[in-house]
Amino acid sequence: KQEVTQIPAALSVPEGENLVLNCSFTDSAIYNLQWFRQDPGKGLTSLLLIQSSQREQTSGRLNASLDKSSGRSTLYIAASQPGDSATYLCAAGTGSSNTGKLIFGQGTTLQVKP
Amino acid sequence: KAGVTQTPRYLIKTRGQQVTLSCSPISGHRSVSWYQQTPGQGLQFLFEYFSETQRNKGNFPGRFSGRQFSNSRSEMNVSTLELGDSALYLCASSFSRVGYEQYFGPGTRLTVT
Repeated sequence: KQEVTQIPAALSVPEGENLVLNCSFTDSAIYNLQWFRQDPGKGLTSLLLIQSSQREQTSGRLNASLDKSSGRSTLYIAASQPGDSATYLCAAGTGSSNTGKLIFGQGTTLQVKP
Repeated sequence: KAGVTQTPRYLIKTRGQQVTLSCSPISGHRSVSWYQQTPGQGLQFLFEYFSETQRNKGNFPGRFSGRQFSNSRSEMNVSTLELGDSALYLCASSFSRVGYEQYFGPGTRLTVT
């Protein structure tokens, strides 16, 4: 059974810092890993999708890496800003050739202080 | 291109009632999945629909059901509501079944009193 864990559960940093959010999964048989952002009371915004054959993806100040063999993914945020404050969720894509689902971690709540 | 839309955004129901939530996927997307989000359990998979067929189902009781229409729009229904069904229900759409990026709607906040 796939389990996804995110550490830390909460993080508070001053503006401008570079930071790393961690995600680990127990079953390496994933077809992709997706990072999301969720603002309070809102839906999920997709940030980055890494296919199982890829090692990393970049979008602006965000960089996500994937190491299937060790069951780990990291989300790197460069030069953090107060607007980055949100909960960040990683989700492992699992399933067969006909169907899939996302298994989510509990999230890391990030606060960036001005 | 319009995003995933969900209606209604907020609902208040009484125990024992039933409720129907609606989801319209991104144009061209054929797969729709539903998730329940609660503070205690986090995000949990409910079911996935593709081509009007349920392809996968999470570990939820039979009171939770859904369907998908020929235009890919989907509805989920919860019968005999319980207090524990209070949650944010999120719908996600993707182009196809496996390996595609999932895009989420704003959710429907259901409160059961």
